[in-house]
Amino acid sequence: DQQVKQNSPSLSVQEGRISILNCDYTNSMFDYFLWYKKYPAEGPTFLISISSIKDKNEDGRFTVFLNKSAKHLSLHIVPSQPGDSAVYFCAASAQGGSEKLVFGKGTKLTVNP
Amino acid sequence: ETGVTQTPRHLVMGMTNKKSLKCEQHLGHNAMYWYKQSAKKPLELMFVYNFKEQTENNSVPSRFSPECPNSSHLFLHLHTLQPEDSALYLCASSRGVLSEKLFFGSGTQLSVL
Repeated sequence: DQQVKQNSPSLSVQEGRISILNCDYTNSMFDYFLWYKKYPAEGPTFLISISSIKDKNEDGRFTVFLNKSAKHLSLHIVPSQPGDSAVYFCAASAQGGSEKLVFGKGTKLTVNP
Repeated sequence: ETGVTQTPRHLVMGMTNKKSLKCEQHLGHNAMYWYKQSAKKPLELMFVYNFKEQTENNSVPSRFSPECPNSSHLFLHLHTLQPEDSALYLCASSRGVLSEKLFFGSGTQLSVL
């Protein structure tokens, strides 16, 4: 059973608008969450992360929100740019460490000019 | 030079062939990983090496054989693969296994005929 779920395989938004990518998890032991971005023909690259002691982390146009009671996190991109078009992976770990990292299937974001 | 380099980028092999995937990291990291990404599936951790020692083998079939001669190089030896092994194989590195922030290579797209 998938512990990290990204239920939307794809999302399309207009340039300049907000992109909201969602991720749900089932394991209440997860305490660290990350978002990775992947362009075609490239490996995933780290984008932003959040610890379970916080409910929000912001880095420029990217903000991650964590709702522990709902076991839900979201990535907001404002304003969206065509260069943001990529596949976004949500990942989570329990009690630290890359060996425990669990990834979602990814959401393909398309930002239209 | 990019941080994590994988060769070859593409590989087509028959079920009786033996081939090897190579990964090299130039980031001074101590941990290296092999991940498998199949279509419509999340990234799956295969192997973890920390300071050249294998710390994780995620129930991977023996037809996949990893080798880590030093902290900068990682190989994945392939033999008698099955068509269902066709996937994108990603190498990654991190400062240590306690770091969830992974740096990925561009991957090897493997097709088994």
